[in-house]
Order: sequence, then C-alpha cells, then structure tokens
Amino acid sequence: EVQLVESGGGLVQPGGSLRLSCAASGFTFSSHSMNWVRQAPGKGLEWVSSISSGSATIYYADSVKGRFTISRDNAESSLYLQMSGLRAEDTAVYYCAKRFGSGSFDHWGQGALVTVSP
Amino acid sequence: EIVMTQSPATLSVSPGERATLSCRASQSISSDLAWYQQKPGQPPRLVIYGASIRASGIPARFSGSGSGTEFILTISSLQSEDFAVYYCQQYNNWPPITFGQGTRLEIK
Repeated sequence: EVQLVESGGGLVQPGGSLRLSCAASGFTFSSHSMNWVRQAPGKGLEWVSSISSGSATIYYADSVKGRFTISRDNAESSLYLQMSGLRAEDTAVYYCAKRFGSGSFDHWGQGALVTVSP
Repeated sequence: EIVMTQSPATLSVSPGERATLSCRASQSISSDLAWYQQKPGQPPRLVIYGASIRASGIPARFSGSGSGTEFILTISSLQSEDFAVYYCQQYNNWPPITFGQGTRLEIK
C-alpha cells in the first residue's frame, strides 16, 4: 500500500523558515517524480513544486520561486520542501503527491498545516 | 499559463440523479486532464486521468469525456459518498500545473 506521510508543519512568523518532509513507502520511490501541492484554508488547490525521479529536473510555481527549495533523498524514500521568507499567503495545508503517468497525481499524503502569523 | 475554469461553482443534485460537471481550458490540452474528488479534511483523490480513464478503485458511475478545451465529469447515479468538491487539473503544458477552482457537489 502506497503511503505518503508529511511532517514538519507548524506556526512560523513572517519571514521565517520551515522544512517539510514527506516519508514515502509502498512503491519504488526512486522511480517517480514527486510534487508539493498546497491548499489555503477554504480555498482550492495550488501546485507548488515538482522534482524528477533523479532530481535532475525541478520546477516551482512563480509564487514560491526563489524562496522554496524542493529536494529528495531516494535512499531514504523522502521528499522535502525547504521554505524560507515565509509570508501570510503561504499559510496552507501542504500535500506531497506522487506523479502518475503523464502528470496526474495518484497518491497524496494527509497534508501538513503551515501557518504564517506574527 | 493555462487557466482552468470549472462550472458551476456549486451544483445541487438529489441522490440517484445524474451530475454533470464542466471544466474548460484556456488553450488546448489534448486529453491531459485529471479530475479529483476532495471531501472535508481529506486529501484529494484521483478520479479520472487522461480525460476519460477511471483511476484504480473508482466506481463505473464516474465517467469523463472531452478533449482540447472542453471536458465533462459525469456521475450517473449519485450516491451519498459522492457529495464533495471536484477539481480538474491540466498537465499538458507545464510548469505550472494548474487546477480549476473547484465545483462543490451538494445534496439537493
């Protein structure tokens, strides 16, 4: 059974930093691109970042470019999102999601809540 | 950036009836479209990919159609567990991957 478990969320002040982790199991992690998708309270889904299986190709949404860094450790089957320069508008539940085929997401974690507030 | 527009924002349907949800892309995305179901407090669940292919474990009452810029998700006979928010997502031309704003399917 595929499992994705996020951790590292919490309350942080504006301008602060936080690192999210996603522990994967139940599939060959090193063979799949992985993504972060966020959802602000009461709002829709927003794609944040993508990393290819071997970390060669990385993309970011314009809203986080230059502030967030995605990475992965295939030996540990883990995905990370280093967030810095956090703003109130970054407040959201952050999901890690496994890419399937051409680009849909077939498995999602339960999410990690990040709250940016003084 | 490809903009995805869903309609209606809210759809009220009685159990046992058919629901039809629409998604429009601002430019052609071929069949590179997915639909997700999200219930309160839960992550999204993949329902349809490739515009018309049911994901694993999805009941046959869910069907997707369309290509290019116009897409439809149909739920043929609504069950109580189908009432949720549905999002479409394009993965034809990215980054960025983009989602529609969602359609809330509620019990009439």
